[in-house]
Parts: sequence; structure tokens; C-alpha cells
Amino acid sequence: AQSVSQHNHHVILSEAASLELGCNYSYGGTVNLFWYVQYPGQHLQLLLKYFSGDPLVKGIKGFEAEFIKSKFSFNLRKPSVQWSDTAEYFCAVNARTGRRALTFGSGTRLQVQP
Amino acid sequence: EADIYQTPRYLVIGTGKKITLECSQTMGHDKMYWYQQDPGMELHLIHYSYGVNSTEKGDLSSESTVSRIRTEHFPLTLESARPSHTSQYLCASSDHTAGGPGNEQFFGPGTRLTVL
Repeated sequence: AQSVSQHNHHVILSEAASLELGCNYSYGGTVNLFWYVQYPGQHLQLLLKYFSGDPLVKGIKGFEAEFIKSKFSFNLRKPSVQWSDTAEYFCAVNARTGRRALTFGSGTRLQVQP
Repeated sequence: EADIYQTPRYLVIGTGKKITLECSQTMGHDKMYWYQQDPGMELHLIHYSYGVNSTEKGDLSSESTVSRIRTEHFPLTLESARPSHTSQYLCASSDHTAGGPGNEQFFGPGTRLTVL
């Protein structure tokens, strides 16, 4: 079975600060990796995803994530955060075969102060 | 516009009542999922479906049941609601493409259920 760990539960940053949110997963097979974001009062929406190829993936709104297979990690980064990035961020994985349901981390609440 | 819909968005109900949470998608996706999310916690899969007449239990044990009679519709039912069922319920869908971009799941807005 898969599991996902997000190390930071609550992060507070000032605008223009750099962001890195940690995500580690455990699974014996090949996985797809995702970061989802949930802005206050809105749906969960996809920020970025990794299936194969270049391990550095770019998503919407200036976010990027790097897949490091040897570390089972998929950390999310943004060089300069904005107040509008205040949201909850979830790392998720699913297996390439079978039911493909997502296994989520516990989420990181990001608060950006103006 | 293709989307995924959930109704109601909020529901407050008394113990013992039967409830059905609706989920519909207009994206033509084969796979659909129900997740449960308590405040500040991760999402847990409670049900999934590969297609019409196919339903399976997820990772988190749930007293709810689901049905999939039509591709676009995946309702969740609680026969007798209890306070322990108070949570947010999120519906999602994805298409069947193996290993590719089709694995992306699209989420509905959720139903926040409170059982008194």
C-alpha cells in the first residue's frame, strides 16, 4: 500500500519569500505524483503532476516540483510567494496500475502574510 | 462546460436519517471516487468505481454505500446517519488512460455533512 508524508503542517511566510514544501512517499512500484491545492472555499485543483520524463515539472502559478526517485520525494517549490498563494497544499500519489485512486498526504496549510 | 458537481454543498441532519449525497460528472470519465476528509486531515478513499455496475470499497472503512447505474452519476448513501459521519465528502473522477495524463483526478466542490 502507498503512503504519503508531508512534513510541514502549517507554514507562514511573508510575500516574496521562497517556498519549499516537503513530500515523501512509500510504494514498491511505479507511481504518478501530484500536488493539489485547495484555496479557501474552492475545489481541490491540480497544481502539477509527474508521470515520466524530466523530473522537474512546472505547474500553474509559478510552482514547480522535483521528483527525486532515490529519495522517494516530490517537493514543491516556488521562488517568490504571493498573498494569493494562501491555501492548503496536498501531495498525492497513485499507482500506474489497478484502481489508481489517490493516496494523499495530510496537507500543508500555507499562510502568506502581506 | 465539462465539470463535476456535488449536491448538496452543506447538509445538517439529525441522527437516524437516511441521506444521499449526489455526484455527477459531465466529462465522460470511467472512474469515479469518493473521499472523506475531516478538518485539517488528509483525504481518505472510501469508495471507487471503474465503470457502470462496478463499485469497490476504499481504504477507509465506511458505513456508506454507493451505486453506479449511469456513467455520469455516482451517489453515496447513508442509511442511518450518526454524528460520527460528520465530515466533508469529496467526489472525483478520472478517465481510463493507463499511466498517462488521464490519471489526473478532477474533484467536485464537496459536501460538508453535519449529523446532530
